[in-house]
Amino acid sequence: NAGVTQTPKFQVLKTGQSMTLQCAQDMNHNSMYWYRQDPGMGLRLIYYSASEGTTDKGEVPNGYNVSRLNKREFSLRLESAAPSQTSVYFCASSEPAGLGRYEQYFGPGTRLTVT
Amino acid sequence: KNQVEQSPQSLIILEGKNCTLQCNYTVSPFSNLRWYKQDTGRGPVSLTIMTFSENTKSNGRYTATLDADTKQSSLHITASQLSDSASYICVVIAEYGNKLVFGAGTILRVKS
Repeated sequence: NAGVTQTPKFQVLKTGQSMTLQCAQDMNHNSMYWYRQDPGMGLRLIYYSASEGTTDKGEVPNGYNVSRLNKREFSLRLESAAPSQTSVYFCASSEPAGLGRYEQYFGPGTRLTVT
Repeated sequence: KNQVEQSPQSLIILEGKNCTLQCNYTVSPFSNLRWYKQDTGRGPVSLTIMTFSENTKSNGRYTATLDADTKQSSLHITASQLSDSASYICVVIAEYGNKLVFGAGTILRVKS
């Protein structure tokens, strides 16, 4: 099992460009999450999907959109990147639905720089 | 406001020594508390999960304690190894709204 995989690992964007971060899990989990991690701060939840076909905003959703493509895949899109979105992005999954009740498994992260 | 504060921000110890990391929280109502280890360039990996009724939980050389009355937790690492060098993150889960509140982490460096 690969667990949670993310692509790309690194990305540099210019302000205003768009891109999609990809996440996939092979643990048959219902719930998936996107976080961002900034220096000196704890991880912050951007969006989550409690189950296939549903998505909800987290703590810092502005400037992002998500798509739960199927049970395995959950993508994060930046429509018009801004320097404030420079961060490390982590995808996570858990089973069953519910943010806090069960173990979350994290991907390796995508390091994004917006210039 | 739900917050998780960790101390120290960073710590350097010699290989073989013990250390203790602290976590204070104001999250309420409390559901459970977790400690994660995050190696450089990797995602966090769970070390322990503690519910309200648990005071101590061990995972090998890692021992977490929880005092729900004072809202404090600690992670004690025994006989540190070079591979323990990482960031250690305290996460508190609120009962209602299923909210996870992450601390900023303590960066531990173990020197030979």
